[in-house]
Amino acid sequence: GNSVTQMEGPVTLSEEAFLTINCTYTATGYPSLFWYVQYPGEGLQLLLKATKADDKGSNKGFEATYRKETTSFHLEKGSVQVSDSAVYFCALSDLTGANNLFFGTGTRLTVIP
Amino acid sequence: DAGVIQSPRHEVTEMGQEVTLRCKPISGHDYLFWYRQTMMRGLELLIYFNNNVPIDDSGMPEDRFSAKMPNASFSTLKIQPSEPRDSAVYFCASSSTGIGGYTFGSGTRLTVV
Repeated sequence: GNSVTQMEGPVTLSEEAFLTINCTYTATGYPSLFWYVQYPGEGLQLLLKATKADDKGSNKGFEATYRKETTSFHLEKGSVQVSDSAVYFCALSDLTGANNLFFGTGTRLTVIP
Repeated sequence: DAGVIQSPRHEVTEMGQEVTLRCKPISGHDYLFWYRQTMMRGLELLIYFNNNVPIDDSGMPEDRFSAKMPNASFSTLKIQPSEPRDSAVYFCASSSTGIGGYTFGSGTRLTVV
């Protein structure tokens, strides 16, 4: 079946540090992959996505590359800011026509000044 | 577009009372999802609709929960009777076939005392 495994948090970094949040997936076929971000008190927002192998999704300084050989979609940012403090969810899209998203458990990031 | 609109933002009710949560999806989206988020269980898919028809309600915890989508622009999630363990943030999300990824509402924080 389809599933997503995310790096467990919480993650605490100093401002301007490098961020990696690991995400691996299990899926039949070739799913689309997503990162969502949830700021305190808000709903999830799409951060970036990739729809096929070797695609790189990017937004707001965050990047993730769809690696089919390692079934991974790790989220990276070169220099985090306090405003990046949030919970990050990795997800994959079911391609059976049901349009379902399978979410990871989320990783809480706290950036300290 | 105003995005996915949920109401109310906060609801506090007494155990045994009926609670109704409301959602207006993005115009033109043909999928609507209801999720529940708690610290213990993370994000759980409760039910989703396609073209106003319930497709999968296997995530609905028990018969006290029911959801309807009478038209393309409105859905409700009802809990009757409510219990303290129903306390959570309930999110509605919508999407469109072929796009991938969801747009989430800001959620309803439900507290049952």
